[in-house]
Amino acid sequence: AQTVTQSQPEMSVQEAETVTLSCTYDTSENNYYLFWYKQPPSRQMILVIRQEAYKQQNATENRFSVNFQKAAKSFSLKISDSQLGDTAMYFCAFMKRRIQGAQKLVFGQGTRLTINP
Amino acid sequence: NAGVTQTPKFRILKIGQSMTLQCAQDMNHNYMYWYRQDPGMGLKLIYYSVGAGITDKGEVPNGYNVSRSTTEDFPLRLELAAPSQTSVYFCASVGLLPRFTEAFFGQGTRLTVV
Repeated sequence: AQTVTQSQPEMSVQEAETVTLSCTYDTSENNYYLFWYKQPPSRQMILVIRQEAYKQQNATENRFSVNFQKAAKSFSLKISDSQLGDTAMYFCAFMKRRIQGAQKLVFGQGTRLTINP
Repeated sequence: NAGVTQTPKFRILKIGQSMTLQCAQDMNHNYMYWYRQDPGMGLKLIYYSVGAGITDKGEVPNGYNVSRSTTEDFPLRLELAAPSQTSVYFCASVGLLPRFTEAFFGQGTRLTVV
């Protein structure tokens, strides 16, 4: 069974600083997707960034980038020039890449990130 | 495009009552999921479905039931509500390759059992 672990329950940084959130996962699959979702106080789940395991290049979306280390099964999220609006719960998630058949979308425990003014 | 719609947004139940949380998606997605999120915690998978007529248990299925009679709808049934079921419930859907991009989530249902 796949598991996703986020070892940092809470983090806090000053506005404009850079912060890195950690995520490790356990799987025997070779093809899969990894995600970072943001959950602000509104509870809405918002996709931040997505990585496909067969792509070696790390995904980037504006101020958000990942460090994907497939062999180490590590998928960290870096937020550059952090903003007050980045304050939220962040979840790492895993899903197998399959054409058909059952597949679960598995989440980590979450990291509560606070950006201080 | 409505995406994933959950109803109701809030509900208070008394111990022993039953209710159905509704989830509907209009993206013709095959996979649908129900999660619960306890305060300050992550999302735990309750049940999921890979298509109409096919459902399977997740991590925490006890006390819940699901059905999937159509591609669009995936209701979650709570029988004999207990205080331990107080949580926020999320429904999500995912499309099959090659249309798959991300999981789409509903707005959540906050359920309190008293």
